[in-house]
Amino acid sequence: SQTIHQWPATLVQPVGSPLSLECTVEGTSNPNLYWYRQAAGRGLQLLFYSVGIGQISSEVPQNLSASRPQDRQFILSSKKLLLSDSGFYLCAWNIAGPLEQYFGPGTRLTVT
Amino acid sequence: ILNVEQSPQSLHVQEGDSTNFTCSFPSSNFYALHWYRWETAKSPEALFVMTLNGDEKKKGRISATLNTKEGYSYLYIKGSQPEDSATYLCAFRNTDKLIFGTGTRLQVFP
Repeated sequence: SQTIHQWPATLVQPVGSPLSLECTVEGTSNPNLYWYRQAAGRGLQLLFYSVGIGQISSEVPQNLSASRPQDRQFILSSKKLLLSDSGFYLCAWNIAGPLEQYFGPGTRLTVT
Repeated sequence: ILNVEQSPQSLHVQEGDSTNFTCSFPSSNFYALHWYRWETAKSPEALFVMTLNGDEKKKGRISATLNTKEGYSYLYIKGSQPEDSATYLCAFRNTDKLIFGTGTRLQVFP
């Protein structure tokens, strides 16, 4: 069966510090991978998605970036965090087609 | 810009009441419509994926309908229970991406 992992679960970082959130999927090959964020009081916003290794589509221009170094690994990064980067970050995967998208457990990021 | 709208934004009901929410989405380039149940500090849980106009899906006390021609979907909960309290998200599928609505926050009081 397929499993999606995200870490860390919670993170408190000062403004201006770097960020690296990691997501890995097990039990499937060539998944589509996604990063979402929920900021306080707002809905779920798609940040990046990837349909293959090295292929990244950015949905929202900001100080975040994403990389996919391996088929089942998706990394969200920032060189310098802003206060507005605080939120709940979710990684998700699916297989191409009108099938369900499965979410990881999430990372709660607080930028202080 | 693709817009997915959900109403109402929040809903408070008594245990045993039946309730329904609306999701409006673009009627062009439709691929699928997803419903999720999302509890605070947890990951969204998939409820339904609907692809065909007129689709009706059911899971226990929860059911959903789909109208792709006019661009809306309804989610119904029959006999709400306190454990149904959560945010219900719909998402419009456009090829590889899901565009989420802001959700309907349901609170069921015992």
